[in-house]
Amino acid sequence: EAQVTQNPRYLITVTGKKLTVTCSQNMNHEYMSWYRQDPGLGLRQIYYSMNVEVTDKGDVPEGYKVSRKEKRNFPLILESPSPNQTSLYFCASSLSGTATNQPQHFGDGTRLSIL
Amino acid sequence: AQSVTQLDSQVPVFEEAPVELRCNYSSSVSVYLFWYVQYPNQGLQLLLKYLSGSTLVKGINGFEAEFNKSQTSFHLRKPSVHISDTAEYFCAVSPRNFNKFYFGSGTKLNVKP
Repeated sequence: EAQVTQNPRYLITVTGKKLTVTCSQNMNHEYMSWYRQDPGLGLRQIYYSMNVEVTDKGDVPEGYKVSRKEKRNFPLILESPSPNQTSLYFCASSLSGTATNQPQHFGDGTRLSIL
Repeated sequence: AQSVTQLDSQVPVFEEAPVELRCNYSSSVSVYLFWYVQYPNQGLQLLLKYLSGSTLVKGINGFEAEFNKSQTSFHLRKPSVHISDTAEYFCAVSPRNFNKFYFGSGTKLNVKP
C-alpha cells in the first residue's frame, strides 16, 4: 500500500531535549516536505526536499533541521525544542522534485507537545 | 509574496443543501491550485487540482471548483452535501517554478441532519 509513515504519532517532551520525527514514503517520490498545522493558521511549510541531498527552507524553518540522505526518508529534527513548537506536524511527498503540479500524499500526523 | 485566504473559518449547512467554500489567493506568478480535505485525526487527502486548461475542475466525492483568474479565486462547490462531508477543507497554491506550497487557514464544514 502506498503510504507516508510518520513516527511517533504522539510525543510529550520537555524544553531543550533533542527529538527527531521520522518520515518514510514507499512511492519512490522525489519531493518531500514537512508542515506544521496550528489552529487558525492552516499548514505552514517548514522545509522541503526536491531529491536526495537537496533541501531548502519553507516559510517557518527556524528551530528545525532536516536531512535527506536516502530518497525514502526525510526526518525532522528539533535540536532544542521550545514550547512554541508545540503543534501538529505533517510529512508529505509527491512524485516530481522539480514540478509542484503533482498532488501531495500526507502522513497521519505527529502531535508534539513541548512543556 | 504569496498568500491564500479562506474567508470562512466555519460553514454550517444542512444535509442535501448546496455549499460553496471560498478561496482567494495572491501571487505574482501563475500558480497551480489544489483543494484538500482533512477528516478528524487524519492527514490531508487531495480533492481536486487545477493545473491549466478548463477552468472548471471536477474532483472526488462530487466536489468541483472553478478557477477565476481575474478574481484570483478558486472556490469549491458541491450541489448536495452529505453528513460524511463533515471535515476541514484546505485550499493550497504552488507558484510555478517556486517548489513551495502555501495553504489557507482552512474551512470547517459542518453538515447537519
